[in-house]
Amino acid sequence: DAGVIQSPRHEVTEMGQEVTLRCKPISGHDYLFWYRQTMMRGLELLIYFNNNVPIDDSGMPEDRFSAKMPNASFSTLKIQPSEPRDSAVYFCASSFRGPWESYNEQFFGPGTRLTVL
Amino acid sequence: RKEVEQDPGPFNVPEGATVAFNCTYSNSASQSFFWYRQDCRKEPKLLMSVYSSGNEDGRFTAQLNRASQYISLLIRDSKLSDSATYLCVVNMGSGGTASKLTFGTGTRLQVTL
Repeated sequence: DAGVIQSPRHEVTEMGQEVTLRCKPISGHDYLFWYRQTMMRGLELLIYFNNNVPIDDSGMPEDRFSAKMPNASFSTLKIQPSEPRDSAVYFCASSFRGPWESYNEQFFGPGTRLTVL
Repeated sequence: RKEVEQDPGPFNVPEGATVAFNCTYSNSASQSFFWYRQDCRKEPKLLMSVYSSGNEDGRFTAQLNRASQYISLLIRDSKLSDSATYLCVVNMGSGGTASKLTFGTGTRLQVTL
């Protein structure tokens, strides 16, 4: 298996532009997670899906952020309009079991490094 | 108080040394605990789960102290390849769909010759 796939790997954009990040989870994993990592705040959960349905989006910072999962093999995280404070590494992860289970392991993609000028 | 707190380090140790990291968590109802490893500019990867009775995997030992709400990671006979950031991860919910994993900001380890 190729693991979790994310694209693009790097994105540089200007303030006010729309940014779309993409993720393909590991086949057979029912849970998909979007995280954001910064030096100051570490790794923060933005939203997660179970069987394509959003379960917890309490980490989504504001209305400028939206996430979708139209099918089991694809998810997007969109920022519109983007701001310099959105600069971070965005990770997508997937897992076979739910986050509350003892033997749960989340597999992370390589991340998208976003810079908003 | 942060939900999951770690000493950021860095811990600089010579090869062969033993090093220990601690992590404290705020939610006494937390049920599952993990250590993840993150290499520079890479994604986090699961190192080991932490079980109530403590567990060992080769040179790595993880322990849980529920009364004091902390977990620890001990690395024996450090190798250069152990240099990384170690993330303490706690399930902050009480179970079911309300649960989510909360990551500490990580402790950086640098093993030197």
